[in-house]
Amino acid sequence: DAKTTQPNSMESNEEEPVHLPCNHSTISGTDYIHWYRQLPSQGPEYVIHGLTSNVNNRMASLAIAEDRKSSTLILHRATLRDAAVYYCILRAYTGTASKLTFGTGTRLQVTL
Amino acid sequence: SAVISQKPSRDICQRGTSLTIQCQVDSQVTMMFWYRQQPGQSLTLIATANQGSEATYESGFVIDKFPISRPNLTFSTLTVSNMSPEDSSIYLCSALPGGRGDTQYFGPGTRLTVL
Repeated sequence: DAKTTQPNSMESNEEEPVHLPCNHSTISGTDYIHWYRQLPSQGPEYVIHGLTSNVNNRMASLAIAEDRKSSTLILHRATLRDAAVYYCILRAYTGTASKLTFGTGTRLQVTL
Repeated sequence: SAVISQKPSRDICQRGTSLTIQCQVDSQVTMMFWYRQQPGQSLTLIATANQGSEATYESGFVIDKFPISRPNLTFSTLTVSNMSPEDSSIYLCSALPGGRGDTQYFGPGTRLTVL
């Protein structure tokens, strides 16, 4: 599986935008970029995913570089409830659904 | 979507015993998975639970230690056998409702402590 590289931790002030980077220089053409987050004492939850174009949903936006070797998860206004570990994961679609392989993720701290 | 429940939510067990964790999904799903999360670490995939056949284990995990059942499209169990303190972890069940492109859902986890 292609690997991703994320900073170990980041800090943000509440109600400010947060940009969480992810490098995936060995991404292949069939890999989708997924983001999950894990709130304290909970299982991971889906945030967003994309292939080539930028994506928006009610939780976040995903900006994908033109060469697809990096991406950025954007939380437009961080709240205390967004404090979590954010995982950037590459998922290959090769005819059948593939497993999610988690890296180390970025621990986001949000302060008042 | 899929809502996943796990039983028990936590347990404290003695060395050498076994514990079976149950995972129930509120709808039929294509694929089910079991993960382990050791304290302060990321998630590691143990195996894919296949309906009606033997589970597919990841490198480093074996059926004798982690037998898995999946009798139907909504239910699976993971047994942690002959436990040692190194097995103390959170064990998470996960489900993929459809096929390609689907969101993967996770249960709340089972926190296991082995004394």
